[in-house]
Amino acid sequence: ELKVEQNPLFLSMQEGKNYTIYCNYSTTSDRLYWYRQDPGKSLESLFVLLSNGAVKQEGRLMASLDTKARLSTLHITAAVHDLSATYFCAVAGNQFYFGTGTSLTVIP
Amino acid sequence: EPEVTQTPSHQVTQMGQEVILRCVPISNHLYFYWYRQILGQKVEFLVSFYNNEISEKSEIFDDQFSVERPDGSNFTLKIRSTKLEDSAMYFCANLGPWGPYEQYFGPGTRLTVT
Repeated sequence: ELKVEQNPLFLSMQEGKNYTIYCNYSTTSDRLYWYRQDPGKSLESLFVLLSNGAVKQEGRLMASLDTKARLSTLHITAAVHDLSATYFCAVAGNQFYFGTGTSLTVIP
Repeated sequence: EPEVTQTPSHQVTQMGQEVILRCVPISNHLYFYWYRQILGQKVEFLVSFYNNEISEKSEIFDDQFSVERPDGSNFTLKIRSTKLEDSAMYFCANLGPWGPYEQYFGPGTRLTVT
């Protein structure tokens, strides 16, 4: 079974600061997803990364993929309160395997 | 933007009862998925459905679960005899067979088993 590990599980950061969330997975995959989930809500697709070295950016979020290291990162630049949410990575294999999630709280 | 819809938004049922959760997928998207998320935990894959057949299922998807596409548009998840531990959010999702391979999630059904 493909395993997906995210860290940290909880992240509290001040507005204006930068931070990175890490997603490690155990076997090769050709697709890596990042999602955002607000409390009590569904999952919102942020990024789909399809190849080694892929980098995508949207606003203050930037995701990258290193398939050789089996690592994806979600970098947050100059955090704002609106980014407070839980972020999941997911890896596509025969199934979709989700990480444990990172609960991000941005403090004013 | 394409939208997946799910009904009901909240279902309360007694242990041992059957429930049917419904999803209206995005047209022309050929892959369908069901997931569950126990409160405060990660999202867990249940089953994928392609071309009117189950293509993959997880260990969670045992004999008490079934999926159907009864009328060619709606997509259902049936739990035959609910248990307390089935209480969770259930999401359906769509994936198109072409790029950029985005997976669109429905709003979810909250199932509470008492």
